[in-house]
Amino acid sequence: EPEVTQTPSHQVTQMGQEVILRCVPISNHLYFYWYRQILGQKVEFLVSFYNNEISEKSEIFDDQFSVERPDGSNFTLKIRSTKLEDSAMYFCASETGRYIANTGELFFGEGSRLTVL
Amino acid sequence: GQNIDQPTEMTATEGAIVQINCTYQTSGFNGLFWYQQHAGEAPTFLSYNVLDGLEEKGRFSSFLSRSKGYSYLLLKELQMKDSASYLCAVLTGGFKTIFGAGTRLFVKA
Repeated sequence: EPEVTQTPSHQVTQMGQEVILRCVPISNHLYFYWYRQILGQKVEFLVSFYNNEISEKSEIFDDQFSVERPDGSNFTLKIRSTKLEDSAMYFCASETGRYIANTGELFFGEGSRLTVL
Repeated sequence: GQNIDQPTEMTATEGAIVQINCTYQTSGFNGLFWYQQHAGEAPTFLSYNVLDGLEEKGRFSSFLSRSKGYSYLLLKELQMKDSASYLCAVLTGGFKTIFGAGTRLFVKA
């Protein structure tokens, strides 16, 4: 069964360092998302991406964050200068597209746990 | 503002039925989802409602009332493996699904 894959599964970094989290969405999906979940808290929307541009972003997604789809398969989240409060599980998700039969169900990757020291 | 409320925790007995409620107030509405999340894992899709009424899918059913901003997830014949967090989520517009804090369900023998 096709799945969303994320790398790395766990990354430890020093405050102020740049981090790139990588995702390979399901191949025929058209909508891509990043969410984060701080330990013990809710899943928070960061950004959505469609047709090679950001569709919507949250207030969390400030200038320190950026997303890119550098080729036909990868979807990356970059944090330019990490802060302690960026420590969280980051989930990539993808969605097939908005056809009549499509529900908007999100398919999540297993997550990348980021620890900022 | 955007608000999705659900109980923090519930406990139920194996074999029983449990109902998890969710109320929402969002700036847009294009559908309501329930996801299951086991500890340390990613959310997985359970159900979707966009029209009022009940959707049934095996042991799981979900109900929606758009006028009341209310949904529930009903789990029947509870099994130990159903111990997890259940997340209510709303597709608020074209490209943004927001999640409630989740209800942690404990199933006891």
